[in-house]
Parts: sequence; structure tokens; C-alpha cells
Amino acid sequence: DGGITQSPKYLFRKEGQNVTLSCEQNLNHDAMYWYRQDPGQGLRLIYYSQIVNDFQKGDIAEGYSVSREKKESFPLTVTSAQKNPTAFYLCASSIGQGRNTIYFGEGSWLTVV
Amino acid sequence: GENVEQHPSTLSVQEGDSAVIKCTYSDSASNYFPWYKQELGKRPQLIIDIRSNVGEKKDQRIAVTLNKTAKHFSLHITETQPEDSAVYFCAASQAGANSKLTFGKGITLSVRP
Repeated sequence: DGGITQSPKYLFRKEGQNVTLSCEQNLNHDAMYWYRQDPGQGLRLIYYSQIVNDFQKGDIAEGYSVSREKKESFPLTVTSAQKNPTAFYLCASSIGQGRNTIYFGEGSWLTVV
Repeated sequence: GENVEQHPSTLSVQEGDSAVIKCTYSDSASNYFPWYKQELGKRPQLIIDIRSNVGEKKDQRIAVTLNKTAKHFSLHITETQPEDSAVYFCAASQAGANSKLTFGKGITLSVRP
């Protein structure tokens, strides 16, 4: 778990702004994920990536974008199109997709002000 | 796609008693079932997992059972302690390159001293 670093831990966004959450892992994992957590909603998948330069939409991708230019990095951009972005965002990684343990970063709290 | 449900949504037990948290899933092809524990303000952490080729797995005070016919799996915590108080998430996935982990909404377990 200590091998996944998210930053910043707390972020405030003004209406209409794009913000980017950083996620870096040194576990040499192929797969990386972004989840959003709201109270009572559990963990919802935003985007995931199996290999470099490839990613797929999860269940709630609208208003978000990602890139996977390096194996160890999977940044998430919360765009102004995301109308309700206030949430706890968790980055995760696994050796490969399917049946492999997912390890989470410490999370980033995003608040719209 | 897969749908994972957890019951009940909250559970309160007396310290020293046992707690059982049940999850159901919809996709009969799912074959990997992890459980995560999330303490307040922290990241989810894997506490135990089970694969479809076994029916039960134990790790000290924690055990997980799987009933593939009924499509449900349960987390059993014996001799509960106050530090067991947390949100517990179950999840399910298939093996394979395009599979993804689907989480339940979580159960809040409170252990009364």
C-alpha cells in the first residue's frame, strides 16, 4: 500500500475550473484505477488502465479524463463538466486486471468552493 | 455487468460477540471475492479474499465463506474488538484481461465496548 502516492491530499476547486489529481506507484503494477467515494455510495469506478497508453471508462467517467503515458503514473483530471465533484478520490493499482488484489493510495479530498 | 449488494448497511455488536456481513453478487462468472476494511478518513485495505475454487478461508479472527450456487459470500469476525469498527466493503470480479472489480456499497460495523 505504501507504494501508491496520491497528491494533493486536500484540494479546493472553484466552479468552472479543471483540477488534476496525481497518482504515482512504484509497485511495478500494470493496472491502475480511479475510484470515487461518496457517503453511502461505496466505491465507484471512474477510469482504469491495463497498460501504458490505454485506458477504459468505468461506471461514472463523465466529466473526468485520464492519461497513462508512463506505467507508474495515472493522473485524473476533474473537468468543469463534472457538476458534482466534491468527493473522496482513490487511486489504486494491481499487478494485472482480474483476480488480482487491488491496493489503494491514501486518497484525495476534493471540495468545490 | 456485475452487481454486488451488501446487507445490512449498518451493524452494531457488543465487544466479544461475532459479526457476520453478507454480500450477494449477480454474475455467475465472477470468481474472485475480496473484502476491504476502511477506517474513518483512511484508504480501504484488503483484509481477506477468496477464490471460487474454495468454500472457506480463515485468517485468525476473520473468515470468509463462499456459496457459488446461491451467489453469496460472507465475512465472519469472531471475538470482535473496538478496533474492528470500520466500513467493510465486499467486491467481486472475474478473471480475464477486461474484468474489473465491482464493490458493494459498504457496511458500517460498530463494536460497542
